[in-house]
Amino acid sequence: DAKTTQPPSMDCAEGRAANLPCNHSTISGNEYVYWYRQIHSQGPQYIIHGLKNNETNEMASLIITEDRKSSTLILPHATLRDTAVYYCIVLHDYKLSFGAGTTVTVRA
Amino acid sequence: GAGVSQSPSNKVTEKGKDVELRCDPISGHTALYWYRQSLGQGLEFLIYFQGNSAPDKSGLPSDRFSAERTGGSVSTLTIQRTQQEDSAVYLCASSTGVSPAYEQYFGPGTRLTVT
Repeated sequence: DAKTTQPPSMDCAEGRAANLPCNHSTISGNEYVYWYRQIHSQGPQYIIHGLKNNETNEMASLIITEDRKSSTLILPHATLRDTAVYYCIVLHDYKLSFGAGTTVTVRA
Repeated sequence: GAGVSQSPSNKVTEKGKDVELRCDPISGHTALYWYRQSLGQGLEFLIYFQGNSAPDKSGLPSDRFSAERTGGSVSTLTIQRTQQEDSAVYLCASSTGVSPAYEQYFGPGTRLTVT
């Protein structure tokens, strides 16, 4: 799977949008972009995934650039419960693996 | 609806003992995966099931590890003669299909501590 690069940490104000960037410049045409998050001592939680098009669900939006070399996860209205480690993954089969991720801290 | 459940949530065992970890996937999910997560190793794939068969066991670290799935639903991961390096959080996930198009939903995990 292609390697991803994420900032190690970011802060966000409660109620504001959180924009999490991810670089995946070596992504192949058949690889999907996935986002998971993990709150301390809990199992990973699926957020959203996409191949080429932007995607939106009840949790977040995923914006993928036209060349697919980077993407942004948008949490539209961050709450304190969104404090977690967020993982951006590029996947071509079914074997998920997490890098270091971005530690997002939402502050009141 | 009900998510993936795992039991026990915590297990402390002595070195050399056998342990069984259970996973109950989301109803109707045909694919089931086992991973483990430890501080030094990140998320590590162990095995996946499609129905009751396990086409890919490539991630099992040794022959002390085995898994089965019965009735296309519940799965059990067994570790024989546990070692201290087996200490980790064991995670189960399930999905409706096996391809990167299908998202995997994880359970809360079983934290295994081998003393």
